Amino acid sequence: SAVISQKPSRDICQRGTSLTIQCQVDSQVTMMFWYRQQPGQSLTLIATANQGSEATYESGFVIDKFPISRPNLTFSTLTVSNMSPEDSSIYLCSVESAVPPYEQYFGPGTRLTVT
Amino acid sequence: LAKTTQPISMDSYEGQEVNITCSHNNIATNDYITWYQQFPSQGPRFIIQGYKTKVTNEVASLFIPADRKSSTLSLPRVSLSDTAVYYCLVGMNSGGYQKVTFGIGTKLQVIP
Repeated sequence: SAVISQKPSRDICQRGTSLTIQCQVDSQVTMMFWYRQQPGQSLTLIATANQGSEATYESGFVIDKFPISRPNLTFSTLTVSNMSPEDSSIYLCSVESAVPPYEQYFGPGTRLTVT
Repeated sequence: LAKTTQPISMDSYEGQEVNITCSHNNIATNDYITWYQQFPSQGPRFIIQGYKTKVTNEVASLFIPADRKSSTLSLPRVSLSDTAVYYCLVGMNSGGYQKVTFGIGTKLQVIP
C-alpha cells in the first residue's frame, strides 16, 4: 500500500488568489492523479501527472487554471489559480498500486473554500 | 469506460446484511469491477475487485452474474462505522495506468 499526505489540509482563500496543494507519497510511483470533489458530489479527475513530462488534463480542465508540477517520483503539486467561489472543493491526489488489483490510494484531501 | 448505475442512497439497521447493486450493461470483456468506500472528510478506499462469479475478502463479498452486466457488493452485519459512500467502478485492470471514473455512488446510512 501507499501512504499519501497532502498539505494544506484546508484553507480559506480570497477570490483572485492562487493556492498550491502539495502531495507526498511514501514510495516512488510513476503516475499521480489529481481529483476534485465538489460538495456532495462524486470525484472528478482533473489531470494525470507523470514524472518528467507535462501533465495530461481531462476535458474541462486547463493547465493555466490548474498547473501541476511533478519534480520527482514521490511528490506533486497542484495550483488552483485565479480562484473563484466555484473552485471551492476538496482536492485529492492519488496513486495507483504497482501490483494487481492496481487499486488507487488516495490522500486525505485538501478542503478549499474561496470567499 | 462503461457507465455504472447504482442507487443514490440506502438505509440499513446495524447488524443487517447490506447488498448494493450496480448496473453496468456496457461492460467490456477486459473490464474489472471495483468498489471503493469513502468516509466523510477522507479519500476513497479500495474495498474489493472482481471479474466474474464471487470474490470475498475480510471486508465484503462481490457477486457477479455470468453476463457481468451487474454486480452486488455485500456487506455482512453492518455497523455504524460502515456509514459511507460506496462507489462502483468498471474499467480495465491492466496496471501501469488505469483511468478511474467515479459515478455518483451510493450513500449508505447505518441506523442504530
